[in-house]
Parts: sequence; structure tokens; C-alpha cells
Amino acid sequence: RKEVEQDPGPFNVPEGATVAFNCTYSNSASQSFFWYRQDCRKEPKLLMSVYSSGNEDGRFTAQLNRASQYISLLIRDSKLSDSATYLCAVTLDDKIIFGKGTRLHILP
Amino acid sequence: NAGVMQNPRHLVRRRGQEARLRCSPMKGHSHVYWYRQLPEEGLKFMVYLQKENIIDESGMPKERFSAEFPKEGPSILRIQQVVRGDSAAYFCASSLGGQGIGEAFFGQGTRLTVV
Repeated sequence: RKEVEQDPGPFNVPEGATVAFNCTYSNSASQSFFWYRQDCRKEPKLLMSVYSSGNEDGRFTAQLNRASQYISLLIRDSKLSDSATYLCAVTLDDKIIFGKGTRLHILP
Repeated sequence: NAGVMQNPRHLVRRRGQEARLRCSPMKGHSHVYWYRQLPEEGLKFMVYLQKENIIDESGMPKERFSAEFPKEGPSILRIQQVVRGDSAAYFCASSLGGQGIGEAFFGQGTRLTVV
């Protein structure tokens, strides 16, 4: 089983809709969790950290489920500018491990 | 505080030449990661280094690829005798590491083209 897994997509979603991604991790000792965004031909950039109690930043909500070992990202009222690849990342033993990303296309 | 700096941004090499990619981490960061990304594909982990130590090189091809992070100076990813299949974007990321590992910050990448 891969350390961090994501559905590669693409998710094709109409503008204004709500979309959610999950990311599963294999090691229950994983310590910290993040979502990154990568635009085409650019470097990944941190979108938000994921806290145990869940956290929200505007239209974005991140959740952590330690029992089932997954994190989620919810995007409400999606915009065309949300089109990107979303990567989850977990830390374990001083190392950051990335998933391969989920591609999101917001359709006008 | 400058971010992660990678150079060159673009590198063209003929088959059989050597490619050297440089990464200067953010100030105060002692952990460096290298990733390779082929067009339309995800990030592929290559190697994880701390100052003067390779911690995890499980993603590095067994031949032609090497990485270092010396006590002074940038981290270097070296590809010897490049082949067309080495053409990709190579991203470097750095983090604080340790207990407060926090998030990783990426450089803008080096796009290697082998002709």
C-alpha cells in the first residue's frame, strides 16, 4: 500500500458547485497533515494545514479522520481559478510525504 | 527572507552530458527534498537530505543519479550521462525538520530538457 494515496481525477465540476477530495495515509503514526495546490507548470504551494479539529479558510474546509486515516478537502462555491492539482502531504519521522495529487477542472 | 531558490530554471543538455541542479533552502531550513515531475504526472519523491547526510534515497534511480547537501552551499542533484527520459521538472523543497517539522516550501523548479 502506498504511503499517501489520492484519486488522480480529473474532477470536472461546474462553477459554483461544491467538490470534495479525500487522501488516505497508511501509517497511523503520521504526525502533521497539509493540502498543497499546484498550478500547471508551477511549483506546489501550501494551501492549508489540517488540524485534528478541522479547520476552515474561506471557501476551503479541511478535515482529519485519524481513525480511518484520511484527510479531506472541501471547496465550496468553486471558482474557475480553483482549477489546479491538489496534493495532500503528511509528515512521519521527520519526513514529508506527498500524494500524487488530484486534478480539478472547474467548468464555466 | 528569500524562499527556496533553484537554479538554473531551465537546463538543456545533450544525451550523455551531465546535469547539475542546485537548490538553496530557505534560511534556517536544514531539510531538503528533491522531486521529479513528468508532464501531466504527479510529484515523484527522489531523495531526502539533511546537512551532510542522505536520509532517504529510496526514490533515486540506482545509476547515474546522486545528491548531496554539504555543510556549506546548496544541495546538488547530479545526473550523469543524461538520456531523453531524464527530461522533466525537478523540484526541490525545504523544511525546518525536527519536532516542529511544519510544512515544506518549494522552489520554482528546474526544467531539464535532454536533446
